[in-house]
Amino acid sequence: DARVTQTPRHKVTEMGQEVTMRCQPILGHNTVFWYRQTMMQGLELLAYFRNRAPLDDSGMPKDRFSAEMPDATLATLKIQPSEPRDSAVYFCASLGGTYNEQFFGPGTRLTVL
Amino acid sequence: QKEVEQNSGPLSVPEGAIASLNCTYSDRGSQSFFWYRQYSGKSPELIMSIYSNGDKEDGRFTAQLNKASQYVSLLIRDSQPSDSATYLCAVRVGTYKYIFGTGTRLKVLA
Repeated sequence: DARVTQTPRHKVTEMGQEVTMRCQPILGHNTVFWYRQTMMQGLELLAYFRNRAPLDDSGMPKDRFSAEMPDATLATLKIQPSEPRDSAVYFCASLGGTYNEQFFGPGTRLTVL
Repeated sequence: QKEVEQNSGPLSVPEGAIASLNCTYSDRGSQSFFWYRQYSGKSPELIMSIYSNGDKEDGRFTAQLNKASQYVSLLIRDSQPSDSATYLCAVRVGTYKYIFGTGTRLKVLA
């Protein structure tokens, strides 16, 4: 069945290392969102793309985060260098359905030591 | 004022009762409204969408929208322990802009 996939599901890294998270949206969905979720902040929007073009990345710390969509089947979120405060669950969601509904991937749980 | 507000809970209801979850929003131009269920350690799962004033029913779930009062609610009939989760309200305020509430934690007691 159609679903959003994300890799890796878990990532433990040390401060200063580069982290890359990947998302495959549901086939045919042209709009992709990246969110970060922590207990303290809830679900925060980082960036979103429409037809592979970035529409809004104002939620992202620009100095260390970057998001791209090299093709219609792959979106990436990169953190370089990573910091302990980046520890969170990162979700990708793609937009589709009759009523422009967001469908979430399983998330990447990131721990930065 | 937060754009989408939910009571964080926990909301505790006995098994078989009706659980009522509420959400208020500040943008009068909001167009679409969504309820997601999120189990601990899992991703948000869409359970209901509503666009017009009134009620929309799907199985044990009923979403209610009142645009004049700027609130949307979710009723869960015959609550089951498996309904215990955090319920997120989301509002579409622009073409691609969605605002999520912080969620209400529901506990259904067996």
